Formats: sequence, structure tokens, C-alpha cells
Amino acid sequence: SYELTQPPSVSVSPGQTASITCSGDKLGDKYACWYQQKPGQSPVLVIYQHSKRPSGIPDRFSGSNSGNTATLTISGTQAMDEADYYCQAWDSSAVVFGGGTKLTVL
Amino acid sequence: QVQLVESGGGVVQPGRSLRLSCAASGFTFSSYGMHWVRQAPGKGLEWVAVISYDGSNKYYADSVKGRFTISRDNSKNTLYLQMNSLRAEETALYYCAKANTATVKLSYFDFWGQGTLVTVSS
Repeated sequence: SYELTQPPSVSVSPGQTASITCSGDKLGDKYACWYQQKPGQSPVLVIYQHSKRPSGIPDRFSGSNSGNTATLTISGTQAMDEADYYCQAWDSSAVVFGGGTKLTVL
Repeated sequence: QVQLVESGGGVVQPGRSLRLSCAASGFTFSSYGMHWVRQAPGKGLEWVAVISYDGSNKYYADSVKGRFTISRDNSKNTLYLQMNSLRAEETALYYCAKANTATVKLSYFDFWGQGTLVTVSS
């Protein structure tokens, strides 16, 4: 079965750029999405179709997807961005999530 | 505004059944696919199933295929998940999520409910 691999944790200083990767076989050929989940809350879509932002998502969130890796980039990271982030893609007739990355802003 | 309200969770013994519901409002329910996603305590997201806008197409995760059934009643704006032969490891918060399209493949989840907790324990 298809797998998406994310680093378990990423740390970043406030105001710096955070990059979270998601790896999967030929992931660049698939649409990748990213969700943010804060403690005790439901997930929120932050990036869809590789690099598009839903309305209401700050422009410091951006995405890219090429080859085997999709990347979520948060520029000028703020304390409020501390959360778990999940990548997601379709493989055949199934949805696949990455294992999630805990972003710590310190 | 879009609202998705799950219900039907609770404590159930291994091997027993449970039916979850998701009441939708704030959008034209009959025009969009819908998903179920679960999250075990302290763990990541796991996709469960998806149904197209008219119920004609359904897909399931391998882990639930043959035991879970997703369905919808567009006249009631409600999504369902019938879960049979439940296992302890399926203890989780079950979310319903709206797809961005009527069909299901390549869709993403643009709105999520708050979830309903299912505990499988003897």
C-alpha cells in the first residue's frame, strides 16, 4: 500500500522559516494537501492541490510538490502556528495521510 | 456557514456494531462527496471511507472493508457510518469531513466536524 512519510517533529524559532516534508513514491504526480491540527481541535485545510491556499489561510503558508517530495513552508513562523501538520494524497481509490509532524515554535 | 455535527459514538464491546451519523448544514449537501476519518487517542489521522454526492460511488480503507458501510440520506442532509465487528484498536475520534467536489477521487477535505468518540472495550 502507498505510504507518505513525514518527520515526527520540526522545531523553528519565531520569525524564521519552517519546512515540513512529505515523501512518497512519485508524489509529485499526485495532488498533495496539508492540514493543520491544534490540540483539541479538528484539522484545518491549509494547502490544497500542491500549493493553493484556502481563503482565510495566511500567505505565510505555501506548498510545493515535485519528484517524491511535497513540502509545506511557513515563512515568518508565529507562535500560533505551533500544531501538528498532516500531508494527504490519493492513491488509486484510497486516501492516504502522512504520519504527521509536530511543529514546535521556540 | 458549513456545519458538520457527528453523533452516535459511545462505548461498545468488541465484535459489536455501532452507527455514526453526521448532520450537515450550511451548504448543498447533495452536491458534495463526504468522508469519514478517524484518529486514535494521541495518534495521527486515518482515512476510513468516502461516498460520492449521490451515493453511487463508495471507497473504503482496507482496514475496514467488508465491516464498515458508508451511506447518506440527501433528503435528511445526513451522512452515516455503519460499523460492524468492531475491534479494540478502532477506538478513536471519528470525524466526518466534506469533500470539495461532488465526485470523490482527488477530492480534499475542506470542512471537518468536531468528531464523535467511539470506545471499543469490554
